[in-house]
Amino acid sequence: AQSVAQPEDQVNVAEGNPLTVKCTYSVSGNPYLFWYVQYPNRGLQFLLKYITGDNLVKGSYGFEAEFNKSQTSFHLKKPSALVSDSALYFCAVRDLRDDKIIFGKGTRLHILP
Amino acid sequence: DAGVIQSPRHEVTEMGQEVTLRCKPISGHNSLFWYRQTMMRGLELLIYFNNNVPIDDSGMPEDRFSAKMPNASFSTLKIQPSEPRDSAVYFCASSAPGQGDEKLFFGSGTQLSVL
Repeated sequence: AQSVAQPEDQVNVAEGNPLTVKCTYSVSGNPYLFWYVQYPNRGLQFLLKYITGDNLVKGSYGFEAEFNKSQTSFHLKKPSALVSDSALYFCAVRDLRDDKIIFGKGTRLHILP
Repeated sequence: DAGVIQSPRHEVTEMGQEVTLRCKPISGHNSLFWYRQTMMRGLELLIYFNNNVPIDDSGMPEDRFSAKMPNASFSTLKIQPSEPRDSAVYFCASSAPGQGDEKLFFGSGTQLSVL
């Protein structure tokens, strides 16, 4: 069965510093991988996805993620954090065998001014 | 397009009552997912449909939960009878994987409180 792990419940980063939010996955076959962001009292919004091709994927709001097949990881990154990046971030994986999409538990990102 | 529309936004009910949550997916999307979000469990997949057919309902907690998709533009999630532990935010999401758009579009969610 597919699974997604986000090992950190919370990440604190000073404004202007680079940030990384970690994600590892387990799925049979080739995965489709996603990152979503959730602001308070809102639904989840799509940030970026990896389907195939270049391992470094660029998305919305200056975020990017690196797919590492050998480590089964898909970490979210941003070179310079903004206070407005503070939110709840979810990693997700789609199993191509049945189109099932499951999410990690989420990582709360705090950007400190 | 107005996006995925869920109703109601908030529902407060008493234990034992029936609760029905509604979802209208984005027009043309053929996959629909129901998720439940809690602090303890994060975002759990309850059930999903492809072309109005339920594909996997293994995430439905128990027989008190049921979901239907009578047509491509409407789905319901019903809890009968409701219990306090069902209190959570319930999200509906749709996508169009066969049209090259694999990402999910989420509704704003229904905040359910069972007293």
